[in-house]
Amino acid sequence: QKEVEQNSGPLSVPEGAIASLNCTYSDRGSQSFFWYRQYSGKSPELIMFIYSNGDKEDGRFTAQLNKASQYVSLLIRDSQPSDSATYLCAVLSGGYQKVTFGIGTKLQVIP
Amino acid sequence: GAVVSQHPSRVICKSGTSVKIECRSLDFQATTMFWYRQFPKQSLMLMATSNEGSKATYEQGVEKDKFLINHASLTLSTLTVTSAHPEDSSFYICSASEGAVNTEAFFGQGTRLTVV
Repeated sequence: QKEVEQNSGPLSVPEGAIASLNCTYSDRGSQSFFWYRQYSGKSPELIMFIYSNGDKEDGRFTAQLNKASQYVSLLIRDSQPSDSATYLCAVLSGGYQKVTFGIGTKLQVIP
Repeated sequence: GAVVSQHPSRVICKSGTSVKIECRSLDFQATTMFWYRQFPKQSLMLMATSNEGSKATYEQGVEKDKFLINHASLTLSTLTVTSAHPEDSSFYICSASEGAVNTEAFFGQGTRLTVV
């Protein structure tokens, strides 16, 4: 079982819709969870991080964490074509203090 | 956010030669720097963690004699790919953190290495 799992996509949504990106992780001791956006050929950029169960909102982005289900998600409201990118889920493991990345979900926002 | 500068952004080298990649934190002191490698359509894979003034910690399967990491100051870490081969062609990315772990670490622009 992979430590951090994401559906590679592509996930296609129409402009203005809500995009929902999901991630599961295997280490129950994981402490912190990050969402990065990566455009093709570029380095990742941090969008949000979340530590506690529940929702965390920042502008059009909402991160949701459910530690019991070992599940973290990212919602993008009012999706724009410029949101088209690969979204990487990253998890800070409890034991090794190391961040592990998922394979990323490719999001396509259709104008 | 903090700025991390990585250089060069693109390099092509001949098989058997060595290539050095620099990673600089421009507006903060990076206690820890991380080096990743990303192959096409794959995730970032951590290669090594370097702390200023000490030897780097390499992940399992990463050859420390092939990928030389130096973290001589709080603002500069270098990765040297020695005796490069075509299979070393990849996207190499550094990130830097003020703390001991790569929480909220900031990434450099990445270096596209092509070995011919």
